[in-house]
Amino acid sequence: DSGVTQTPKHLITATGQRVTLRCSPRSGDLSVYWYQQSLDQGLQFLIQYYNGEERAKGNILERFSAQQFPDLHSELNLSSLELGDSALYFCASSVFGAGDTQYFGPGTRLTVL
Amino acid sequence: ELKVEQNPLFLSMQEGKNYTIYCNYSATSDRLYWYRQDPGKSLESLFVLLSNGAVKQEGRLMASLDTKARLSTLHITAAVHDLSATYFCARTGAGNMLTFGGGTRLMVKP
Repeated sequence: DSGVTQTPKHLITATGQRVTLRCSPRSGDLSVYWYQQSLDQGLQFLIQYYNGEERAKGNILERFSAQQFPDLHSELNLSSLELGDSALYFCASSVFGAGDTQYFGPGTRLTVL
Repeated sequence: ELKVEQNPLFLSMQEGKNYTIYCNYSATSDRLYWYRQDPGKSLESLFVLLSNGAVKQEGRLMASLDTKARLSTLHITAAVHDLSATYFCARTGAGNMLTFGGGTRLMVKP
């Protein structure tokens, strides 16, 4: 158990819908990262927040957005969902940023029907 | 664009045998990570390699880093069934974002 929690574990929804994934980092960690894992694209970095501020952006679609709240938990919002958005979404956290090992949560499996 | 390539992508081994997974990356990197993932599960950090010539060992796994060749290896010694999993190498980029290789799915057969 890494200490990173994610809810929900599973999410099944329909195309066109909007969902919110939630992540609580390990106690004391200031950075939160979001990754997407799919069969065709592998593991891809989406976005990083550090202490409430966006720090780095990867291959995140415009339909996706994220934020980190004052209590350091983070939410990833996915809208206008498409079949291709079905994937495992991981949140990771680290103490600061550069140079710190990232610890991954259990993931949220999103299925878009 | 940063690229990380692993080979092989799939590895079937007999228990007791040795093998090596290779990880090549396209640009210089401060750090190289190895993670393990069991089916449907999260990623578990195995090793972080910080400098040229770094070698780390944990049980039957040993990781090394050659920054001049932009190559990291994960060596498995006397494989056992419990090592069956998918292994990913990853390097850090801007900020602390991880760029992952495609993963090596390891199956150890009795």
